[in-house]
Amino acid sequence: AQKITQTQPGMFVQEKEAVTLDCTYDTSDPSYGLFWYKQPSSGEMIFLIYQGSYDQQNATEGRYSLNFQKARKSANLVISASQLGDSAMYFCAMREGARNYGGATNKLIFGTGTLLAVQP
Amino acid sequence: SQTIHQWPATLVQPVGSPLSLECTVEGTSNPNLYWYRQAAGRGLQLLFYSVGIGQISSEVPQNLSASRPQDRQFILSSKKLLLSDSGFYLCAWIRLAGVGNEQFFGPGTRLTVL
Repeated sequence: AQKITQTQPGMFVQEKEAVTLDCTYDTSDPSYGLFWYKQPSSGEMIFLIYQGSYDQQNATEGRYSLNFQKARKSANLVISASQLGDSAMYFCAMREGARNYGGATNKLIFGTGTLLAVQP
Repeated sequence: SQTIHQWPATLVQPVGSPLSLECTVEGTSNPNLYWYRQAAGRGLQLLFYSVGIGQISSEVPQNLSASRPQDRQFILSSKKLLLSDSGFYLCAWIRLAGVGNEQFFGPGTRLTVL
């Protein structure tokens, strides 16, 4: 069965420093997608970055990058140059199966999250 | 541009009362739609998803039901709320043309059952 594990319930980082949030996953499907979402205290879920299982390069999106190690089944999120506004809950999620254009379920399962606090 | 709306934003209901939460999406057609629940301090649990009008799949047997009466409308209901139904309810849709079929979430409804 597919599973997402985030072992860090909370993390502290100094402003302007980089931080890595851990995520490991388990699936028997060779095709899958990995996502990271940010949830500020307001509750909204904000999509940050995506990595496909067959993508050759690690995904990057501005200050966010995904350290994808397929053999280890890990998909850690790296936030460079942390800002105070980065303080939030961060969730790793996985879609099992290849992405499809309609008709497919495209369900996500989520980890339990990591609460990041950026200190000035 | 596409937007997703949820209402109400906050709800306090007594045990045993009915529930109706609404989610609507604008700017897209035939989206996949999802209902999630987030208990305090926890991750998201998928409750229902829908790939089209009238098509509902339930992920967790529970006190809740979902309906999709229109293409861009998704409703979460209950006939009798339980204390354990308290939580943050999020609706999401998929942008199938996105890079990874990422899901986009509404602002959520915070439900407290007393």
